[in-house]
Amino acid sequence: DAGVIQSPRHEVTEMGQEVTLRCKPISGHDYLFWYRQTMMRGLELLIYFNNNVPIDDSGMPEDRFSAKMPNASFSTLKIQPSEPRDSAVYFCASSGGTDTQYFGPGTRLTVL
Amino acid sequence: QKEVEQNSGPLSVPEGAIASLNCTYSDRGSQSFFWYRQYSGKSPELIMFIYSNGDKEDGRFTAQLNKASQYVSLLIRDSQPSDSATYLCAVGAGSYQLTFGKGTKLSVIP
Repeated sequence: DAGVIQSPRHEVTEMGQEVTLRCKPISGHDYLFWYRQTMMRGLELLIYFNNNVPIDDSGMPEDRFSAKMPNASFSTLKIQPSEPRDSAVYFCASSGGTDTQYFGPGTRLTVL
Repeated sequence: QKEVEQNSGPLSVPEGAIASLNCTYSDRGSQSFFWYRQYSGKSPELIMFIYSNGDKEDGRFTAQLNKASQYVSLLIRDSQPSDSATYLCAVGAGSYQLTFGKGTKLSVIP
């Protein structure tokens, strides 16, 4: 059974550009989480969805960040415009029926 | 503000020894407790979860929970070099949302 899938695995972009990160949760899981990980701040929850509906977006750092989940098998995290301080590893995780979360491989974002 | 605290390490133990990783949490309403292992450049991988006070064993790993002291630990017996990684403690309060500590880096010396 496939795990959480994320794309791209690596993204290098220039300041001011739009960045879109993608996630496919484990089939049947009804919760999807977006995290950002940096050395300084550790793993931070940005937003999470239940049955495609955003439940808590209080971790989204600012209006430049937005997330959508148009259906049960796909979610995007968009940064527009991107800034160097957005450089981090972004993880998507999903869970189904319990609070055990399973993580995708992550997207390493570098904003120059 | 829910907080999960871990010693950042690095914690160095010789091969074959017991590694003890500790975690404290601030929310007394916490109900579920997880340990994730993260190798450098990889994603967090679930090792164990525990819901009730006491010990839970799985192979070489034992999770210990003391809700009165708001303390959870992970023991790794017969530590192997392949156990060298960062260990993340995560705590849930029943809302499916987890709060993660910053992790403890473990180094097992051959």
